[in-house]
Amino acid sequence: TQLLEQSPQFLSIQEGENLTVYCNSSSVFSSLQWYRQEPGEGPVLLVTVVTGGEVKKLKRLTFQFGDARKDSSLHITAAQTGDTGLYLCADSRITAGANNLFFGTGTRLTVIP
Amino acid sequence: EAQVTQNPRYLITVTGKKLTVTCSQNMNHEYMSWYRQDPGLGLRQIYYSMNVEVTDKGDVPEGYKVSRKEKRNFPLILESPSPNQTSLYFCASSRSWGMGPERAFFGQGTRLTVV
Repeated sequence: TQLLEQSPQFLSIQEGENLTVYCNSSSVFSSLQWYRQEPGEGPVLLVTVVTGGEVKKLKRLTFQFGDARKDSSLHITAAQTGDTGLYLCADSRITAGANNLFFGTGTRLTVIP
Repeated sequence: EAQVTQNPRYLITVTGKKLTVTCSQNMNHEYMSWYRQDPGLGLRQIYYSMNVEVTDKGDVPEGYKVSRKEKRNFPLILESPSPNQTSLYFCASSRSWGMGPERAFFGQGTRLTVV
């Protein structure tokens, strides 16, 4: 059974600081998605990475996909209070012809003003 | 506006009283899915549907039923709720045959408490 581990589980930082959160898999990712979930809302897709070694940037967020496609990181530069939320990584898994998402347990980020 | 709508947002019920959580999407998506979210366990898939009248079990289907009679609707049914089904539930949809690497759209969630 594939395991998706995210670390750290909780992270509290001051506004303006940089941070990195990680997603590691016990097996190779098919494709990896990162989501952010704000309190009282559903997850919202941030990015999809597919190719080993891929780096994608979304404003102050930088996503890296490991060369072996078993790990990924999300780096936030100069964190803002609006970055507060639960960050989830998810792998796609093909089951009976359907491409389902399998989620990690998440990193809960709090940015303190 | 593209959206997935769940109702109700909050529900408190008693053990054994049948309930239905509705989910509707306005994007003509073929694929829909239900997840539950629990502290420390993340999002776990309950059921999914690839199209009308096509449903299949996810990782935690016990105690739940679903139906897909229309493309836009995918209700979650708890025939006899128990306290261990207290959770935050999310419905999601995406185009074609699944959610990866297609973009998944999530509803706002239904917080269910079974006493």
